[in-house]
Amino acid sequence: GAVVSQHPSRVICKSGTSVKIECRSLDFQATTMFWYRQFPKQSLMLMATSNEGSKATYEQGVEKDKFLINHASLTLSTLTVTSAHPEDSSFYICSARDMGAGSNSPLHFGNGTRLTVT
Amino acid sequence: GQNIDQPTEMTATEGAIVQINCTYQTSGFNGLFWYQQHAGEAPTFLSYNVLDGLEEKGRFSSFLSRSKGYSYLLLKELQMKDSASYLCAVRLTSGTYKYIFGTGTRLKVLA
Repeated sequence: GAVVSQHPSRVICKSGTSVKIECRSLDFQATTMFWYRQFPKQSLMLMATSNEGSKATYEQGVEKDKFLINHASLTLSTLTVTSAHPEDSSFYICSARDMGAGSNSPLHFGNGTRLTVT
Repeated sequence: GQNIDQPTEMTATEGAIVQINCTYQTSGFNGLFWYQQHAGEAPTFLSYNVLDGLEEKGRFSSFLSRSKGYSYLLLKELQMKDSASYLCAVRLTSGTYKYIFGTGTRLKVLA
């Protein structure tokens, strides 16, 4: 089945630094990837849609200059949290759909990145 | 705006049947998906409906009524390992088919 790999799984950084999270589709190509954020005991909140070869589309309320998204190839999207602050501490999850598997194919998720900003 | 509502928590007994409801009001609709998520892990796909009716997959079934904006996930023969959060997600009709997730239901299965 389709596999999405996300790295790192956990990261602790100091306030003011930047953190890059990578999301790769391992056995399929993904022109579109989605980045979600999840707070404890809450559901997934869509942050942005990453588009290969073009600018990401951000959801309302998400700062594009703070959460930089780059979709450099058909198998890789990165999310960079710039000038991180403690309130950015959260669980970040990427996902993608295997377009070649048909219109009924579901989203496949990476294992998530637990970000803690101290 | 997009609204997808689920009960926050449910409790059931091992071996029983539980139904988790999901109601939605979204700007578009191109399918409803159910996911299971254990704490600290990524969601895993359970079931999918795009047409009205019941889809059955082993112990899990999902139902959809598009006219009512309503779906449910039915779990039979509950096992302890079914204790998890269950998320319904609507895929919107758009160029990139965004998925919007519901509030999630935490299910506790008791012995």
